[in-house]
Amino acid sequence: AQKITQTQPGMFVQEKEAVTLDCTYDTSDPSYGLFWYKQPSSGEMIFLIYQGSYDQQNATEGRYSLNFQKARKSANLVISASQLGDSAMYFCAMREGGSEKLVFGKGTKLTVNP
Amino acid sequence: DTGVSQNPRHKITKRGQNVTFRCDPISEHNRLYWYRQTLGQGPEFLTYFQNEAQLEKSRLLSDRFSAERPKGSFSTLEIQRTEQGDSAMYLCASSPILPGYGYTFGSGTRLTVV
Repeated sequence: AQKITQTQPGMFVQEKEAVTLDCTYDTSDPSYGLFWYKQPSSGEMIFLIYQGSYDQQNATEGRYSLNFQKARKSANLVISASQLGDSAMYFCAMREGGSEKLVFGKGTKLTVNP
Repeated sequence: DTGVSQNPRHKITKRGQNVTFRCDPISEHNRLYWYRQTLGQGPEFLTYFQNEAQLEKSRLLSDRFSAERPKGSFSTLEIQRTEQGDSAMYLCASSPILPGYGYTFGSGTRLTVV
């Protein structure tokens, strides 16, 4: 069974608008962590934001916030005030307790239009 | 420290040849990871080290693949008797032993087997 599902192969957003990238996950482990990474065309994976399964509040990092809905097993990334430089692939990933392995989704390609 | 360094950036090899990639992690990071990314997919976990000990290996890591991290510093990933299916981007990442710390990835080594 797929552990991380990103249902949006591609998304488009106008510059300065907000965009939500979807991610759902599947685990029976009560302890897990969720990550979002950005991969520009240069290929390097850039860490954006982390949410722990026991965290009471949604994570925020600058223009990035994570909409964590535990009961729905979703961890959507919200990017506010999109910039042209936000155009990239975005990957959601999960690490289950007791393992250092990150399991990635297939990614969403975000294009920011001027 | 300029981040995680991977060499070479690109490697073209003939089927059946052996190849070796090197990764230099951020010096303070105890943990080092190898991932493989094929076109249109998210990265897949291969293996990870804590200091010099290899603690977890994926079933993807067949007996043609071997990784080492002598002295807990740089790491090498060797692929013996390469096959066309080995063509991919090989990503290295490192992290300290801290919960919720996003891995820092290198720019990767792109392998093409012809």
